[in-house]
Amino acid sequence: DGGITQSPKYLFRKEGQNVTLSCEQNLNHDAMYWYRQDPGQGLRLIYYSQIVNDFQKGDIAEGYSVSREKKESFPLTVTSAQKNPTAFYLCASSSEASSYLGGLFFGEGSRLTVL
Amino acid sequence: GESVGLHLPTLSVQEGDNSIINCAYSNSASDYFIWYKQESGKGPQFIIDIRSNMDKRQGQRVTVLLNKTVKHLSLQIAATQPGDSAVYFCAERNSGYSTLTFGKGTMLLVSP
Repeated sequence: DGGITQSPKYLFRKEGQNVTLSCEQNLNHDAMYWYRQDPGQGLRLIYYSQIVNDFQKGDIAEGYSVSREKKESFPLTVTSAQKNPTAFYLCASSSEASSYLGGLFFGEGSRLTVL
Repeated sequence: GESVGLHLPTLSVQEGDNSIINCAYSNSASDYFIWYKQESGKGPQFIIDIRSNMDKRQGQRVTVLLNKTVKHLSLQIAATQPGDSAVYFCAERNSGYSTLTFGKGTMLLVSP
């Protein structure tokens, strides 16, 4: 079945360590996104990519980095520069060609906890 | 469960009641709106969408109403079921942009 796969589902990190969250999609979607979700808040956009080898900063990009070397993959690295990295991270994709059709398709999320 | 619902506005209903969840959006230039449902520990799922040239759209047991004059969006769920318990988010897309802006969400609790 087509979909978006995020891994790991749960991740623990020590302060000062970088961690990379994986996001893979087999929907043949052009655009991919990373959102952060904190308790009591809506989703906030970290980075997005509309095409391979190109990406743009979202509203809260500081302390994060991404790459888009393949259409299917959009990994997110949470660096040690991110002051408060504990959160629920959501990856999403969309087909720009049908951008009115349901918006974003989301993965199941990755919960990062900094110890 | 996950703490995504902490401090969210909460709507509590009885099974079988109709539910109305409201959302005020921010940008008069937004041309497309979506309602998502998020169950505990999972990613959001699409429920229903509406374009800005429409006032109302109906799906199975759900209806979205759009009032552009006051920048208000609502989601109506008919005959609410315990399985409808979740956090509901509205999202808007600014015309000319490819990203969505999400509201803070409302938690719906349905008791049997």
